Amino acid sequence: GDSVTQMEGPVTLSEEAFLTINCTYTATGYPSLFWYVQYPGEGLQLLLKATKADDKGSNKGFEATYRKETTSFHLEKGSVQVSDSAVYFCALSLASNTGKLIFGQGTTLQVKP
Amino acid sequence: EAGVVQSPRYKIIEKKQPVAFWCNPISGHNTLYWYLQNLGQGPELLIRYENEEAVDDSQLPKDRFSAERLKGVDSTLKIQPAELGDSAVYLCASSLDQTGEQYFGPGTRLTVT
Repeated sequence: GDSVTQMEGPVTLSEEAFLTINCTYTATGYPSLFWYVQYPGEGLQLLLKATKADDKGSNKGFEATYRKETTSFHLEKGSVQVSDSAVYFCALSLASNTGKLIFGQGTTLQVKP
Repeated sequence: EAGVVQSPRYKIIEKKQPVAFWCNPISGHNTLYWYLQNLGQGPELLIRYENEEAVDDSQLPKDRFSAERLKGVDSTLKIQPAELGDSAVYLCASSLDQTGEQYFGPGTRLTVT
């Protein structure tokens, strides 16, 4: 069935380090892909999205490119800040346009000053 | 603009007791979702509403869970009777369309003792 797999956490980085959080997916058809972020005590927020192959989503210095050939949507940021500490969820929405999201298990990022 | 509102934020009950969660979506959002999030996992869809109609409740355990959205705005999710395994965070989300961009509330953390 359709699924999303993320790298295990927690990921611990020093401030200004480069971030990569890996995400791969399995889906029938051509899904849209998303990264959601959950800051402590808050609800999930959409961080970025890509709707077709080779699209790059970007927001707040984060980027992810929809790679159909490797079924991946890895999240990257060139220089993380302490305020980026959160749980990051990769998700897909099926092309049948139901709006249903399938999430990965989440990756916790801890950034130390 | 107010976000998705959920109450209560925390609930502790004994097993076999009933419990209800309330959600008020963003104004104008016709689609409303209830998700279950277990510790260390991503959210899993329980039910999706389009206005008053439950269009996807395939993952809702109907023997003990029920939901309603009577006027197409607020929604209530109920569990009766609660079991120890129901301890989790219950998330409500809403959206304007079916593209996968959803707005989440802060969730209700349920503890069943």
